[in-house]
Amino acid sequence: AQKVTQAQTEISVVEKEDVTLDCVYETRDTTYYLFWYKQPPSGELVFLIRRNSFDEQNEISGRYSWNFQKSTSSFNFTITASQVVDSAVYFCALSEANRRGYQKVTFGTGTKLQVIP
Amino acid sequence: EPEVTQTPSHQVTQMGQEVILRCVPISNHLYFYWYRQILGQKVEFLVSFYNNEISEKSEIFDDQFSVERPDGSNFTLKIRSTKLEDSAMYFCASTGTGANVLTFGAGSRLTVL
Repeated sequence: AQKVTQAQTEISVVEKEDVTLDCVYETRDTTYYLFWYKQPPSGELVFLIRRNSFDEQNEISGRYSWNFQKSTSSFNFTITASQVVDSAVYFCALSEANRRGYQKVTFGTGTKLQVIP
Repeated sequence: EPEVTQTPSHQVTQMGQEVILRCVPISNHLYFYWYRQILGQKVEFLVSFYNNEISEKSEIFDDQFSVERPDGSNFTLKIRSTKLEDSAMYFCASTGTGANVLTFGAGSRLTVL
């Protein structure tokens, strides 16, 4: 069974501070995918990133960066120089490889980030 | 950019009524999904659908729920007799072949009174 744990329920930072959102996962599969989604107050789910289990390279996209460490089963997300528009709930998620082709994604409980101006 | 569209955006219904939530997945996608998010909680898998049949369903997806692809474009979720605890945001999603990323719709908020 797969499980995703986001221990931080809510985080508040002051604008321009850096913030890291933690994610720890559990899976028995050797092939799997990890995701981060953003859910702004409007409610939609916005895809941010996907990593597969064979690619442990860290990734940077603008102010966003992701640190994937298989040894600790973690996939942490850092926002550099946070902005008020970053205020949202962020979900980490896991999907195991499926020979039948469909994706069953397990989400964490989410971390609510509030960026204070 | 192609998107998944969902209607209605918000529906209010009385307990015991039937509700149908509609989704138009991305046109060349083959796998369709419904997820649910009770207010303030995590997003939960309900069901996946491929080739006109259910691939997998969760424990939440009991006999009150059904899915259908009535034509070449729509994908529907029906709740036969709504309960108060069905109040949630329902997200439709779709993927193509291979290990693609789920593309989610904007969600349909269901309020059961």
